[in-house]
Amino acid sequence: KAGVTQTPRYLIKTRGQQVTLSCSPISGHRSVSWYQQTPGQGLQFLFEYFSETQRNKGNFPGRFSGRQFSNSRSEMNVSTLELGDSALYLCASSIGVGYTDTQYFGPGTRLTVL
Amino acid sequence: ELKVEQNPLFLSMQEGKNYTIYCNYSTTSDRLYWYRQDPGKSLESLFVLLSNGAVKQEGRLMASLDTKARLSTLHITAAVHDLSATYFCAVEMEYGNKLVFGAGTILRVKS
Repeated sequence: KAGVTQTPRYLIKTRGQQVTLSCSPISGHRSVSWYQQTPGQGLQFLFEYFSETQRNKGNFPGRFSGRQFSNSRSEMNVSTLELGDSALYLCASSIGVGYTDTQYFGPGTRLTVL
Repeated sequence: ELKVEQNPLFLSMQEGKNYTIYCNYSTTSDRLYWYRQDPGKSLESLFVLLSNGAVKQEGRLMASLDTKARLSTLHITAAVHDLSATYFCAVEMEYGNKLVFGAGTILRVKS
């Protein structure tokens, strides 16, 4: 069974630009969550989508947005990039229901903002 | 606000020794996860602990959960070099896959 895939794996942008990251979950998984990992703040939850609806949201500014498509693939968008947005962005997929649900993480997208 | 604290943050140990990583959290939750991350890699799921008193073991790693004390432990038995990695605990804040992570414990096992 294929794992979670993320594209692109590496990205370099300049301040003020916008960026879109993509995540394809494990087949059959309907939940996709996004996390930001930085050396200073660690791993922080951005948002979670389940069946095309945002079900949970973290404490990030509105520049960070996402969406999920009917095939469960998800995209994350960051507008007006700032230097502090440089991070590893991880997505995780899970079935989305059930008490024993577990999140499986993708390889991540390394975003560098210059 | 849920806070998750891990200690130690850095652990250097000799092969063959035992040690424990601790994970404390501040509010009630009965779902706790342990993940491993190798340098430059993603997170690998190690254990999911779902109830008070839960204990799970895989190889040289054993994890336990005490929901009353809001404490989970990851015990390493007879460490080997291959266990060198960063270990994270994460607590599910509310239903819906919203995980709050600890800062991580960097483990270095010396030959």
